[in-house]
Amino acid sequence: NAGVTQTPKFRVLKTGQSMTLLCAQDMNHEYMYWYRQDPGMGLRLIHYSVGEGTTAKGEVPDGYNVSRLKKQNFLLGLESAAPSQTSVYFCASSPEGWTSETQYFGPGTRLLVL
Amino acid sequence: GQNIDQPTEMTATEGAIVQINCTYQTSGFNGLFWYQQHAGEAPTFLSYNVLDGLEEKGRFSSFLSRSKGYSYLLLKELQMKDSASYLCAPFDGSARQLTFGSGTQLTVLP
Repeated sequence: NAGVTQTPKFRVLKTGQSMTLLCAQDMNHEYMYWYRQDPGMGLRLIHYSVGEGTTAKGEVPDGYNVSRLKKQNFLLGLESAAPSQTSVYFCASSPEGWTSETQYFGPGTRLLVL
Repeated sequence: GQNIDQPTEMTATEGAIVQINCTYQTSGFNGLFWYQQHAGEAPTFLSYNVLDGLEEKGRFSSFLSRSKGYSYLLLKELQMKDSASYLCAPFDGSARQLTFGSGTQLTVLP
């Protein structure tokens, strides 16, 4: 199993450009999450999904959109990138269940917006 | 919401024991996770406490007191590879969300 994978690993954008970050998991997990991590700060939840076809806002959703058309994929979109969105983006997934809330993280996508 | 407080940095010597504390204030609490994150890498799961008390797993132990909003991660027999950031993350079961602290950067010196 590959676990959680993210594409791309690194990207440079100019202000105003758009892009989509792809997260894929092969563990049949119901829940998927997008976080951003900035220096000196913890991981902050952007959006999450509790199942195929569902999405919900997290702590810092502004400027981002997401889609979960297939259970294994969770896409994060930036419609008009801003320098404040320079960050490391982590995707995670977790199985449904009360005692099994361990989140498995992808390797991260480093995004630089100029 | 959740307020999480953990030290920013700690330093310890190889072979020693170190305790990383975490206090939290939550609107809905169903357990607390500890994650390890090496520089430039993704967080990896260390422990999950849902009940009060100590959970031991090899060199790592984690303690939780729900009434005090307090947890600690205890690392024994420190090794150089333990140099990493340690993230405290209370879990809100009703919102199904983890909220992460800023992390404690542990440096293990020879």
